[in-house]
Amino acid sequence: SAVISQKPSRDICQRGTSLTIQCQVDSQVTMMFWYRQQPGQSLTLIATANQGSEATYESGFVIDKFPISRPNLTFSTLTVSNLSPEDSSIYLCSVEKGTAYGYTFGSGTRLTVV
Amino acid sequence: DAKTTQPPSMDCAEGRAANLPCNHSTISGNEYVYWYRQIHSQGPQYIIHGLKNNETNEMASLIITEDRKSSTLILPHATLRDTAVYYCIVTGSNSGYALNFGKGTSLLVTP
Repeated sequence: SAVISQKPSRDICQRGTSLTIQCQVDSQVTMMFWYRQQPGQSLTLIATANQGSEATYESGFVIDKFPISRPNLTFSTLTVSNLSPEDSSIYLCSVEKGTAYGYTFGSGTRLTVV
Repeated sequence: DAKTTQPPSMDCAEGRAANLPCNHSTISGNEYVYWYRQIHSQGPQYIIHGLKNNETNEMASLIITEDRKSSTLILPHATLRDTAVYYCIVTGSNSGYALNFGKGTSLLVTP
């Protein structure tokens, strides 16, 4: 299975600013996924990021608020823009290496907006 | 994409088998059943997955009914460290191979 390095692990940001989260994978993967987990809730899929194409966003998530880059097969970034306290959540990336292995998750980024 | 139904909570005595059910009656032929768990404040942990055959690994067993409309995750000898939220997820090409998490089952293992 893949190993993911996700940065930063946590951050405290001022409202109105932006935070960019990075995910680096130790091997090439086709599909990367970004999730949000609000306090006390389950994970919600934000978007699917495939290299060479624009990310596919789930209902309720828009590119202007959550721009995603996927410059190559081992790296992706998620930016959370124009932060408000409601954006305080844990953000996670995930990759799929093929149906034999399951999906691997990063350790998450805990964002607090003040 | 297929949806899953799980009981919101279950209890299990330490050392006993924990059997966690999941209904996925609308599953498509090419969709897999995945099980993950999340221990408080940690990222989701992969447990097991299968297509139509029963599967076993060092953590658990997955029993899928012949019609594939339901499955059971079995933790053979539950320990206190197995206390977590368990998610049953189906995915395949219909859902872009993404994992869509429901509310899961909160399993409490008691001494």
